[in-house]
Amino acid sequence: NAGVTQTPKFRVLKTGQSMTLLCAQDMNHEYMYWYRQDPGMGLRLIHYSVGEGTTAKGEVPDGYNVSRLKKQNFLLGLESAAPSQTSVYFCASSYAGPYYEQYFGPGTRLTVT
Amino acid sequence: AQSVTQLDSQVPVFEEAPVELRCNYSSSVSVYLFWYVQYPNQGLQLLLKYLSGSTLVKGINGFEAEFNKSQTSFHLRKPSVHISDTAEYFCAVSNTGGFKTIFGAGTRLFVKA
Repeated sequence: NAGVTQTPKFRVLKTGQSMTLLCAQDMNHEYMYWYRQDPGMGLRLIHYSVGEGTTAKGEVPDGYNVSRLKKQNFLLGLESAAPSQTSVYFCASSYAGPYYEQYFGPGTRLTVT
Repeated sequence: AQSVTQLDSQVPVFEEAPVELRCNYSSSVSVYLFWYVQYPNQGLQLLLKYLSGSTLVKGINGFEAEFNKSQTSFHLRKPSVHISDTAEYFCAVSNTGGFKTIFGAGTRLFVKA
C-alpha cells in the first residue's frame, strides 16, 4: 500500500516549456486535490476532483489544467511554464468530502527559470 | 467565505516546555477543523480533527486541540515538546456542506535543546 505517490520529485523547466505532474493513489479515494505551497502562504488549492471524469477549479487555477481519466490518477499540466509557477506541488486524496482527512504525497519541487 | 489565520509564523521553544499554536477561523456555516504536521521535505499528515461533539480533541504524538465556537478558535497544545516535534504545523477548515479545505499559512515550531 503506497498511499499517494507523485512523479517526478524534482524538475527544472525553462519559461514556456510544458510538463505534466502525475499523482497516483491506491486507496480507492473519490476526491483528489492539487495544491501549491509557497513560503508564508500555506497550501493553496489549484484544482480538485470529486470523482473519476470530474474536475473543478480551486483558488489559483490560472496557468494549470488537470485531468482525472482514471479514479486512481490525477494529472496536473502546465502548458507554458512561468517563473511564478516555481513552487512545491502537493497532491492529496480523501475518501470523500471535507469530513475526511486528506492523505498527501511527498511533493514535487518545480523550478522555472 | 472561509478563512484561517495562524497567529504565529514561528514559535521557538525549549525541549520539555509546553507549547500552544494558535489558530482562528472565520466561516458563516458549521465547520470541520484539522491540524496537520509537515516534517522537513515531506507531505502533510493529520495530527487531529474536530468534526462534532467534545470540544477537546486528542491527536497523535501527545497533541490536543480545543474547539472554541464563541472565539472561533482551534488552538493546538502539547504539555511537553520534544526535539522531534520540530516541524511546520497547519490549521485547516472545511465547510460541512462544501468540497474544499482551506489551509492556514503555517506555524514553524522549532524545539531547542
